[in-house]
Formats: sequence, structure tokens, C-alpha cells
Amino acid sequence: DVKVTQSSRYLVKRTGEKVFLECVQDMDHENMFWYRQDPGLGLRLIYFSYDVKMKEKGDIPEGYSVSREKKERFSLILESASTNQTSMYLCASSSSRMSENTEAFFGQGTRLTVV
Amino acid sequence: GQNIDQPTEMTATEGAIVQINCTYQTSGFNGLFWYQQHAGEAPTFLSYNVLDGLEEKGRFSSFLSRSKGYSYLLLKELQMKDSASYLCAVRYNFNKFYFGSGTKLNVKP
Repeated sequence: DVKVTQSSRYLVKRTGEKVFLECVQDMDHENMFWYRQDPGLGLRLIYFSYDVKMKEKGDIPEGYSVSREKKERFSLILESASTNQTSMYLCASSSSRMSENTEAFFGQGTRLTVV
Repeated sequence: GQNIDQPTEMTATEGAIVQINCTYQTSGFNGLFWYQQHAGEAPTFLSYNVLDGLEEKGRFSSFLSRSKGYSYLLLKELQMKDSASYLCAVRYNFNKFYFGSGTKLNVKP
């Protein structure tokens, strides 16, 4: 069973804090993603990684950075949290191998509130 | 995003059939996925199309026309538990997934 695990389900942080969201997958997937989901806006891609230490910006990377030091772990960093970063954050992973299971698998989400 | 468009909200009656449409930008296309998401939960995978035509999976079917940049998800014999958001996602260039804003489906008795 594919497992994508996010470190926290709910998080409350103060404005200006540095925030780390962690994501671990156990399927040896090459690709990992961070999205945020807001009402009416759907899932928006923040960052994408296709290999260890490799990353690409998504549609809304401003205010965020990422780290992928090991294949199974992809971290999202909010350098200085702001109230407009209050959102649901979803991590996902997928295989780049041309096999049957090519869909993206999601973690349970982290609801972050910045006060 | 990649201009993935789907209706914001739909309402249908229990036992009926509903079709949710999705249009997308075709350049770099490498697969179309449908996900179901209940409120407060993560999206779960429903179906995958990479070639033209219809894929059937029980009560759910998904159709793809690559030349038109068009897909639909068909839900038959609607049940109350089908009330959820349905997300259309397109994989581009073999790795990046982009999502539409989702269609909230309300199933009424």
C-alpha cells in the first residue's frame, strides 16, 4: 500500500516564524510535489522535485523554498510565515517509470494557520 | 496552471447519472486523471486516461479526446456518498501534475 505521510495534520504558527512541513513517501517515487489548496482556487503547485536535490518552481513559489536531500523526503519551508499562507498544504508523489500506477498519491494534508 | 477548466458546482439526484466536463491545454499532455475529494480529506485517485476513448470502472467512467483537449467523468447510479469534489488533473511532460479548481457535486435524495 502506497503511503505518503505528512508530519503534521494541524499547525498553528506566528507571523514571521520559519515553518517546516515534512513529507515522506515509501514507494521509491522519483517525483514529489507540494500543493496548497484554497477554496475556489483548487490545488496550486508550489514546487516539484523529480530527483534528489533537483527542484522546479511551480505556479506560486514566492515565499516558499524546498529541500530534497533523500529520495523519500521532500520538505516545504516557509521562510517567514505570513497570514496569506494560511491554507491546506498537500504533498504528493508519483513514479516517473512507465508502469501501471502512474497517478499521484497524496498525503493526508497539513492545515496551517498563521496568526 | 495549464488552463484546466471544469464547472464549479453541480447538483444531481440520487440514482441519476451526472457528467462532469474538463478542458485543458494540450501542449505537453501526458495523461489525464480524475480524483475524488471529500471535505477535509486528501484527494483519492479515480481514473486515468492517456489514449482516446472511454475507460469504465464500475459506476464511474472517464472519457478522453486528446485532439480536443477534453475529458469527462461520468457517474452512474448516484449515491449520497458520491457528494464530494471531483478534480481533473493533467500530467504534463511525463512528470508535473496540474489540477483544475474542482467540481463540487451535491447529490440530493
